[in-house]
Amino acid sequence: IQLTQSPSSLSASVGDRVTITCRASQGIGTYLAWYQQKPGKAPNLLIYAASTLQSGVPSRFSGSGSGTDFTLTISSLQPEDFATYYCQVLNRYPLTFGGGTKVEIK
Amino acid sequence: QVQLVESGGGLVKPGGSLRLSCAASGFTFSDSFMSWIRQAPGKGLEWVSYISSGIAYTNYADSVKGRFTISRDNAKNSVYLQMNSLRAEDTAVYYCARYREGLFDPWGQGTLVTVSS
Repeated sequence: IQLTQSPSSLSASVGDRVTITCRASQGIGTYLAWYQQKPGKAPNLLIYAASTLQSGVPSRFSGSGSGTDFTLTISSLQPEDFATYYCQVLNRYPLTFGGGTKVEIK
Repeated sequence: QVQLVESGGGLVKPGGSLRLSCAASGFTFSDSFMSWIRQAPGKGLEWVSYISSGIAYTNYADSVKGRFTISRDNAKNSVYLQMNSLRAEDTAVYYCARYREGLFDPWGQGTLVTVSS
């Protein structure tokens, strides 16, 4: 399964609403997760089962979708949210990540 | 708290070998599946391998199958990645992570492996 994220990068301002998409090459139900990675750090799990927020993750993050099309939304971008975001399929081998979306400061 | 600490990375020549270690604490290691994921410099994430709890079933990405071996020592709360026949394209930061229901959480801080002559 291929996961295609778009855009590959975006520039946004603090307070902006940001949407990242992840498209699977075949249907995966809701078996999708999202991770956040800050420079020089390990990835951190944000969302699993397409829309379930991991414990401790701020409520400004949300996920939606099923089948082949998924979105990660940040409702009001905060300074600590500037990072790279990856989607990942949960139920197919090899376990695959999307190519990443880098969110930069405008 | 849950913690994973990798070690063993370094510079190795093409064709050489290296063994990575990951020490776990803060959770019941023997009941946990564990995995290795890597990230080449400036690139995305690539799953490498996982090992189950119990009978220690293993699975590998095609890119490393036959060259890498994952193993675990529950008495030491540690998981290992033996890497043989290393290639330049294996250069990456290698992360270990607890693997549960398809999810990687948490992750260690990573250890850098550089394959170069």
